[in-house]
Amino acid sequence: DAKTTQPNSMESNEEEPVHLPCNHSTISGTDYIHWYRQLPSQGPEYVIHGLTSNVNNRMASLAIAEDRKSSTLILHRATLRDAAVYYCIPRSGAGSYQLTFGKGTKLSVIP
Amino acid sequence: DTEVTQTPKHLVMGMTNKKSLKCEQHMGHRAMYWYKQKAKKPPELMFVYSYEKLSINESVPSRFSPECPNSSLLNLHLHALQPEDSALYLCASSQLVGGSGNTIYFGEGSWLTVV
Repeated sequence: DAKTTQPNSMESNEEEPVHLPCNHSTISGTDYIHWYRQLPSQGPEYVIHGLTSNVNNRMASLAIAEDRKSSTLILHRATLRDAAVYYCIPRSGAGSYQLTFGKGTKLSVIP
Repeated sequence: DTEVTQTPKHLVMGMTNKKSLKCEQHMGHRAMYWYKQKAKKPPELMFVYSYEKLSINESVPSRFSPECPNSSLLNLHLHALQPEDSALYLCASSQLVGGSGNTIYFGEGSWLTVV
């Protein structure tokens, strides 16, 4: 599994954009980049994933560097409900079903 | 219905007790997982079931015994646990397709305290 490096913690003001970085310099060419988050006292939940192109969904956007060695999860307007631990997880495109979690980034949102 | 249901939410057991954690999903998923999460740590994979058969055991001690009675149910039988086994136990499920767009759905977990 590719190793990831994420900041231990970040802070954001409510209703401002948040950019959560992730380095994954050992990622293989077929690994997708998945992001999950875990709110306090809940199980992890899927946020977004991508391979090479930037991706958008109703929760967030994912910007992937051209060399694929890093990516950034973008929350366009942080809310208090977005306070969580965010995990960046490279995942093989075939044959590998489970998720291997790194340490993640704990995001705090300030009202 | 995109839900994984785990029971009980909280369990306190003695070191000589036998108990079970239960997990249920009705999304037609054929892969099911158990993860263990200690406080302030990321989840760690314990077991993976594919088509009701155990496919991955991450060297978990035998005092944890998983069981998949059918495609919707996953149990984790607990016996002779130690206090250090106290943790949040997470069940999850997913389709058995290539990992690209394969979303894994997690339950809210069962908080286990061993006394």
